[in-house]
Amino acid sequence: EAQVTQNPRYLITVTGKKLTVTCSQNMNHEYMSWYRQDPGLGLRQIYYSMNVEVTDKGDVPEGYKVSRKEKRNFPLILESPSPNQTSLYFCASSFRGASYEQYFGPGTRLTVT
Amino acid sequence: GESVGLHLPTLSVQEGDNSIINCAYSNSASDYFIWYKQESGKGPQFIIDIRSNMDKRQGQRVTVLLNKTVKHLSLQIAATQPGDSAVYFCAENMAGGTSYGKLTFGQGTILTVHP
Repeated sequence: EAQVTQNPRYLITVTGKKLTVTCSQNMNHEYMSWYRQDPGLGLRQIYYSMNVEVTDKGDVPEGYKVSRKEKRNFPLILESPSPNQTSLYFCASSFRGASYEQYFGPGTRLTVT
Repeated sequence: GESVGLHLPTLSVQEGDNSIINCAYSNSASDYFIWYKQESGKGPQFIIDIRSNMDKRQGQRVTVLLNKTVKHLSLQIAATQPGDSAVYFCAENMAGGTSYGKLTFGQGTILTVHP
């Protein structure tokens, strides 16, 4: 089944404790992206990657890191999480020439206390 | 389910009615305009897109209209079903340049379909 998977789905952590949210897709997509979704602010792009070893900042990159060492994986790293990073996170992927049609994962609900 | 927005516009319809969801966009340079559907507890799901050089596109039970003069996008859903209940987002996408691949989402509209 073609899909984007994220792990974990739910995470409660404390301020400053480094964490990684994994994202994997099995559709051979070149393009991958991370979004956060907050009430009243909608979906905002954090980082994106157009291919292996190519990443760039989205609208809200502060406090986040990403890497793209393999085509199928695009982990999101929070080196020192803070409460303002409490949010619902989505990973998405698409073919490079069809980035308007992105496939989203199920989401990761992160709470930072 | 998880809340995706506060004070989003809402639309309530009866099963079988047609629904029209509207969106005002901001970037005249966008190449694609897209509609996504988000059901409770799930990620957004692509519905339909329209290129900036078109004004209408039809899919299965859905039609998207683009009015570039007033920067307005609409999604029409024919014979709305309870399974169509969700939050609907419009989005803009650039096919090139420094913003390539970026999806910029609108705030969303909550559609509720009553049986």
